[in-house]
Amino acid sequence: DIQMTQSPSTLSASVGDRVTITCRAPHNIDRWLAWYQQKPGKAPKVLIYKASRLENGVPSRFSGFGSGTEFTLTISSLQPDDFATYYCQQNNSFGQGTKVEIK
Amino acid sequence: EVQLVESGGGLVKPGGSLRLSCGGSGLTFVNAWMNWVRQAPGKGLEWVARIKRNTDGGTTDYAAPVKGRFSISRDDSKTTLYLQMDSLKTEDTAVYYCVSDRLYCSETTCSAGHFDHWGQGTLVTVSS
Repeated sequence: DIQMTQSPSTLSASVGDRVTITCRAPHNIDRWLAWYQQKPGKAPKVLIYKASRLENGVPSRFSGFGSGTEFTLTISSLQPDDFATYYCQQNNSFGQGTKVEIK
Repeated sequence: EVQLVESGGGLVKPGGSLRLSCGGSGLTFVNAWMNWVRQAPGKGLEWVARIKRNTDGGTTDYAAPVKGRFSISRDDSKTTLYLQMDSLKTEDTAVYYCVSDRLYCSETTCSAGHFDHWGQGTLVTVSS
């Protein structure tokens, strides 16, 4: 399985900030990338699939971009409910995770 | 609403065995490709095993760290997924999630896109 490289590992931000998380694949994966949000003690939930498609019920402040080897997840205006850990995923491989903390 | 409910976790000694179960409802279980994904305490997500639906051969696949020790199976009549874990090691300590695949199918073949439905997880602790 390929190894996904996610950065940063931790991100400190304030409510209202625009934040971007990056995920890189070692070779071309077209648009086969998903993003998940996980809160402490809870199961992950999918936010974005096929690089940029928003899962039903996910707020529009979340967006995904990219294809090939480089992908981003952007939260346009960070809300209190968004402080969590985010993972990218391709096939059977997850990124290392990005914890979004309150600044 | 899709619900996946895991059970069977607990404390087991190194070298021991445990069988996890996952009951599914709200989805057409017989058509689902199913997985186990785990998360060690304070760590990231790790895919463990997948089983395809029987119409796709019921093929199984395993992550390298568990191959030869873990076995995934399904009983579609009971809409239940299983994970038999043998020769357990301390590094197998984790929350184990039951997860379904979102499938993308052409005329001739299907592939897994992403993990769309997750159970709440069951904790497995391997310790002496």
